Amino acid sequence: RKEVEQDPGPFNVPEGATVAFNCTYSNSASQSFFWYRQDCRKEPKLLMSVYSSGNEDGRFTAQLNRASQYISLLIRDSKLSDSATYLCVVNGNNDMRFGAGTRLTVKP
Amino acid sequence: GAVVSQHPSWVICKSGTSVKIECRSLDFQATTMFWYRQFPKQSLMLMATSNEGSKATYEQGVEKDKFLINHASLTLSTLTVTSAHPEDSSFYICSASVLGLEEQYFGPGTRLTVT
Repeated sequence: RKEVEQDPGPFNVPEGATVAFNCTYSNSASQSFFWYRQDCRKEPKLLMSVYSSGNEDGRFTAQLNRASQYISLLIRDSKLSDSATYLCVVNGNNDMRFGAGTRLTVKP
Repeated sequence: GAVVSQHPSWVICKSGTSVKIECRSLDFQATTMFWYRQFPKQSLMLMATSNEGSKATYEQGVEKDKFLINHASLTLSTLTVTSAHPEDSSFYICSASVLGLEEQYFGPGTRLTVT
């Protein structure tokens, strides 16, 4: 079993749609969690950290479920510019593990 | 703040040659730097973790004699791909973090093509 698993997609959604990604992790001792966004042929950029209480940043909402060992990312009112690969990242003792990424394409 | 640069951004080399990639933290001191490799349509794969002034810790399956990592200062780490082969062609990304902070700052990546 992979340490961090994501549905690779692709998710093809129209502009304005709401889309959600899930990510599961195997290490129950993991301490912190992040969503990164990676555009084609570019480096990953931090989208948001994921806190136990859940957190929201504009159209993006991240949630963590420690008991079930998954994190989620919800994007509301999708924009064309949201098209990218979204990487789930799990960190335990400065040991970052990346998911394979979920590809999102937002279409006009 | 928290800018990480990589040089070169793109390199083509012949099989059997060595290539050095530099990773610099421009406006902060990075106690830890990470080197990743990403093949097309695949996830980032951690190759090694290096702390300033000590030997790098390599992930399982990564040959330490082939991928030489030096982290001589708090702002510079280098990755040397020795005796490169076409299968080493990949996107190499470094990241840096500050002790006690878990967020990593990524460099822009280096695209290596070995012919």
